[in-house]
Amino acid sequence: QKEVEQDPGPLSVPEGAIVSLNCTYSNSAFQYFMWYRQYSRKGPELLMYTYSSGNKEDGRFTAQVDKSSKYISLFIRDSQPSDSATYLCAMDSSNTGKLIFGQGTTLQVKP
Amino acid sequence: EAGVAQSPRYKIIEKRQSVAFWCNPISGHATLYWYQQILGQGPKLLIQFQNNGVVDDSQLPKDRFSAERLKGVDSTLKIQPAKLEDSAVYLCASSSRTGPGFFGPGTRLTVL
Repeated sequence: QKEVEQDPGPLSVPEGAIVSLNCTYSNSAFQYFMWYRQYSRKGPELLMYTYSSGNKEDGRFTAQVDKSSKYISLFIRDSQPSDSATYLCAMDSSNTGKLIFGQGTTLQVKP
Repeated sequence: EAGVAQSPRYKIIEKRQSVAFWCNPISGHATLYWYQQILGQGPKLLIQFQNNGVVDDSQLPKDRFSAERLKGVDSTLKIQPAKLEDSAVYLCASSSRTGPGFFGPGTRLTVL
């Protein structure tokens, strides 16, 4: 069993839709949770960085962490074609920067 | 602020050949990471440097991979000899302290 599980998709939605991306994990020591966006042939770009459980909002993006269920989510409101990318969740147990990544979910937002 | 620079961007080699990748982190960033991203997978950490010292290389296949960070700035990752399964994107990341890093564009390696 992988430490971090993420549905690879692909996920296709119409422009303006609300997108929900999710990851589950097995290691209860994870305390720091991140979402990265990766465009084709580019490096990952940090979108959201949260500590422990709770919600964090940044513009159209909302990250949720439920440590009791070992489940994290990223919501994208009013999705745009420019949001089409692969979204990677990542986790860290002690903020060392040694990240454990999920497989990534490929998102396509159609105009 | 300039980002993480990597070169070359693409490299094609035959199996059993050697290859080297170069990374220049964001200025002032003490921590540098090398990740391997196989197609369709998330990045996997290979090695972490703090300044010019190795913090963690537990996932680095040391029989064929080596990395160094001289003077605590630039870093090189070498593979010798390369295998088919080494085909991947090699990502370098840096951070000013512990925590998530900023990634470079990566070097896409194809081993034939």
